Formats: sequence, structure tokens, C-alpha cells
Amino acid sequence: EAQVTQNPRYLITVTGKKLTVTCSQNMNHEYMSWYRQDPGLGLRQIYYSMNVEVTDKGDVPEGYKVSRKEKRNFPLILESPSPNQTSLYFCASSWDPPTFYNSPLHFGNGTRLTVT
Amino acid sequence: KNEVEQSPQNLTAQEGEFITINCSYSVGISALHWLQQHPGGGIVSLFMLSSGKKKHGRLIATINIQEKHSSLHITASHPRDSAVYICAALYSGGGADGLTFGKGTHLIIQP
Repeated sequence: EAQVTQNPRYLITVTGKKLTVTCSQNMNHEYMSWYRQDPGLGLRQIYYSMNVEVTDKGDVPEGYKVSRKEKRNFPLILESPSPNQTSLYFCASSWDPPTFYNSPLHFGNGTRLTVT
Repeated sequence: KNEVEQSPQNLTAQEGEFITINCSYSVGISALHWLQQHPGGGIVSLFMLSSGKKKHGRLIATINIQEKHSSLHITASHPRDSAVYICAALYSGGGADGLTFGKGTHLIIQP
């Protein structure tokens, strides 16, 4: 089954403790992206990747890192999480950046992160 | 900063009603997406369009490039259509700038 898999679904951690949220897709998509969703603000892009070893900042990259060593995986790394990074995070992938004309975005199920 | 405005923010309707959700964007775009977020949080892509109209089952999406406006219509609405509907615009420009999202329309269809 074609899917984007995010793990974990729920994560509670403390300020400053490094964490990684994994994202993997099995559709051989070139484009992958991370978003955070906060009440009243909607979805905001954190980082995106056009292909292996190609990543770029989105609208809210501060406090996050990503890597794209393999096409299928695009982990989101929080080196020193802070409470303002408490949010719902989504990974997504697509065939055809940047226009997406013929390629829908496929989303993971989300990761709800709480930083205390 | 390019913006995407959705209206209404919240909409409650009775089963069977015709639903319209609106999306306006501030400058030229190259594509627009409509997404559906289920109560459990998962997001699925409904439509991508750059011109005209697309239909899938009871859902219809239209876009008017000159007026910088898109609409999502649901015919014969059903309680299972209850969800948050999000439009996202891909703005033209150098390189892949990513998507700008509206804040979503929370739709409740009552039986």
C-alpha cells in the first residue's frame, strides 16, 4: 500500500532532550516536506526536500534540522526542543515539485509532540 | 508574505445541503490544492487545480485566476463530510517556495 509513515504518533518530552521524528514513503517520491499545525495558524512549512541531499528552509525552520540521505526517508530533528515546539507535525511527499500539477500531496498521519 | 484567506471559518449545515467553501489568494499562483483533514487528524488531498473546474463524486472545485478565487462545493452533504477543509496555494516565483496554507474551514454536517 502506498503510504507515508510517520513515527511516533505521540511524543511527550522535556525541554532540551534531543528527539527525531521519522518519516518514510514507499512511493519513490522526489519531494518531501515537513509541516507543523497550530490552532489559529494552520499548517506552516518547516523544511522541504526536492531530492536526495537537497533540502531547503520553509517558513518556520528555526529550531529544526532535517536530512535526506535516502530518497524514502526524511527525518525531522529537534536538537534542543522547547515548549514553543509543542505542535502537531505532518510529513508529506509528492512526485513532482514544485508545481504539483499532476501529483497530489500524500500526508503521514501526524505526530503530536508535547515539550514540557 | 503571500496570504491565503478562507471563508467561512466555521460552517454547520443540515444533511443534504449544498456547501460552498471559499478561498482567496493575494497574488498570482501556479497551482492550488484543496485538502481534507479528518477529525482523527489525517490529511488527504482532494484536488489540485490551476484553471477551470474539477469534479470527484459529490465534490467540485473551481478556480478563477483573474479573480484570484477558488471554491470547493459539496453537493448532497452527508455527516461523513464533517471535517476541516484547507486550501493551499503554490505561489509563482523562482524555485520551489512551497505551499501557503489557509487556516481551514471547520465543517459540521448534522443528520
